[in-house]
Parts: sequence; structure tokens; C-alpha cells
Amino acid sequence: AQSVAQPEDQVNVAEGNPLTVKCTYSVSGNPYLFWYVQYPNRGLQFLLKYITGDNLVKGSYGFEAEFNKSQTSFHLKKPSALVSDSALYFCAVRAPTGTASKLTFGTGTRLQVTL
Amino acid sequence: DTAVSQTPKYLVTQMGNDKSIKCEQNLGHDTMYWYKQDSKKFLKIMFSYNNKELIINETVPNRFSPKSPDKAHLNLHINSLELGDSAVYFCASSHLRGGNYNEQFFGPGTRLTVL
Repeated sequence: AQSVAQPEDQVNVAEGNPLTVKCTYSVSGNPYLFWYVQYPNRGLQFLLKYITGDNLVKGSYGFEAEFNKSQTSFHLKKPSALVSDSALYFCAVRAPTGTASKLTFGTGTRLQVTL
Repeated sequence: DTAVSQTPKYLVTQMGNDKSIKCEQNLGHDTMYWYKQDSKKFLKIMFSYNNKELIINETVPNRFSPKSPDKAHLNLHINSLELGDSAVYFCASSHLRGGNYNEQFFGPGTRLTVL
């Protein structure tokens, strides 16, 4: 069975500093990996995804993520955090084959950016 | 224009009642999903329909019954509501045709409170 681990419930960072939100995964075969963000009382918004190719993928709002196959990780990063980045971040994995393949989410990491 | 819309946004009801949540997407996607997000923000797939055909049916009480009248709509009917059904329910849609790598677009959520 596939799974996603987000080891940190919360990440605190000062505005202007770099941020990292960690994610590791387990899935059969090559994974499709996604990051979503959820602002309070809102639905999830897609940030970026890794399908194949370059291990560093860039997404919305200046976020990027690095796929590391040997460490089965897909950490989310941003060079300079903004207070407006404060939200709940979800990592998700999906197996590449099968129409019944599910998108499995991690438990989420709350990012708090302070002035 | 709202891509994925849900109604109602809030639903407060008594135990034992029957209620429905409606979802519509105007993105032309062929697949729609229902997710449940509990009080700890854990997000779990419930159902998925591809071209009006049920393709994912997770371990969900049979009091929950999805219905897809067409590709753009996916409704969720819940019979005999219980306290534990209180949660936020998210509808999502995506293109499944071509592969599992397409991101899902989420609706704003329906907050269900069972008293």
C-alpha cells in the first residue's frame, strides 16, 4: 500500500528565510508526487508535481520541490518565505498505473511564517 | 468562474437525518472525487467516478451513496447521519484520460456538523 509521511506537524520560519517542508513516500513503481496548499476555510490548491525528468520541479508562488529517489523524498522548498505563505501543506503520492489508483495524502504540515 | 463548486457550504443537521451535498465542475474533466477531511485535517478519498462510472469505492459506510448524473456532476447522499460524520467534505476533479499524473482541482468544501 502506498503512503506519505510528513514528519513535522508544524514548521516555523521567519519572513525572508528559506523554508523546507519535508515529505517521504512509499509506493510501488515510480511515483507521481504532488504538493497542495490549504488556506483556512478553503479547498486545496495545487502547487507543483513531479512526474518524470528533472528532479527539481518549480511551481506556483515561488515554491519548488526536489525529488530524491534514493531517499524516497519530495521536500518542498522556498528560498524566501512570506507571511502570506502561512498555511497547511499537503504532500501526496499516486501510483502511475491503474485508473483506480488513489491519490494518498500525508497528514499535512502547518507552515507559520512570522515577521 | 468557479471551477469546482459545492453546495451547500455549511450543513448543520440532527443525527438520523438524511442529507445531500452537490458538486459541479466546469473544467471539462472526466473524473470526479469525494474526500473527507476530519477534525485533525487528515484527508481521505471516499469515492471516485470516471465518465459516470464508479472506479474508487473506499471503506465507507453504505450510508454514503455517491451519484454521478453526468461527467460534470457528482453528488453525495448520506443516510442516517451520525455524529462521526461531522467533517469537511471536498469534491475534486481531474483528467484521468492520458494518465494519473494530472493534478486534481478541489472545491471549497462543505462543512457538515451533525448534532
